Amino acid sequence: EAQVTQNPRYLITVTGKKLTVTCSQNMNHEYMSWYRQDPGLGLRQIYYSMNVEVTDKGDVPEGYKVSRKEKRNFPLILESPSPNQTSLYFCASSPTIAGSSYNEQFFGPGTRLTVL
Amino acid sequence: GESVGLHLPTLSVQEGDNSIINCAYSNSASDYFIWYKQESGKGPQFIIDIRSNMDKRQGQRVTVLLNKTVKHLSLQIAATQPGDSAVYFCAENNANAGNMLTFGGGTRLMVKP
Repeated sequence: EAQVTQNPRYLITVTGKKLTVTCSQNMNHEYMSWYRQDPGLGLRQIYYSMNVEVTDKGDVPEGYKVSRKEKRNFPLILESPSPNQTSLYFCASSPTIAGSSYNEQFFGPGTRLTVL
Repeated sequence: GESVGLHLPTLSVQEGDNSIINCAYSNSASDYFIWYKQESGKGPQFIIDIRSNMDKRQGQRVTVLLNKTVKHLSLQIAATQPGDSAVYFCAENNANAGNMLTFGGGTRLMVKP
């Protein structure tokens, strides 16, 4: 089944304890992205990647890191989480070809992160 | 399951009626627009898209209208069903900005049986 998977689905942690949320897609998509979703603010893009070893900042990259060492995986890393990073996180992928405007994105099921 | 949040504009319609969900976008350079549906506990799901050189596109029970003059997008759902209850987001894409999608705040559609 073609899908985007995220792990963990739920995570409660404390301020300053490094964590990684994994994202994997099995559709051979070039483009992957991370969003956070907060009440009243909709979905905001954190980082995106056009292809392996190519990553760029989105709207709200502060406090996050990503890596794209292989096509299928795009982990989101919080080196020192803070309470303002408590949110619902979505990973997405799309088959966008560089230069194309086509960008139907397929979303994972979400990760609920709480930072105490 | 995961939920979007409670402080959203809400549209309540009777089952069988038509629904119209509106969205204002911000960037006149956006070249592609998408409507997503998000059900409780799930990630956003693609519904329909439209390119900036079009003003109307129809799918199965859904129609998207684009008015570039006033930067307005709408989603029309015909014969709304209980399964249409969800939060709907519009998104704009700018190919000159790395194909980054910018999402609207969302509208909650509630269908009354």
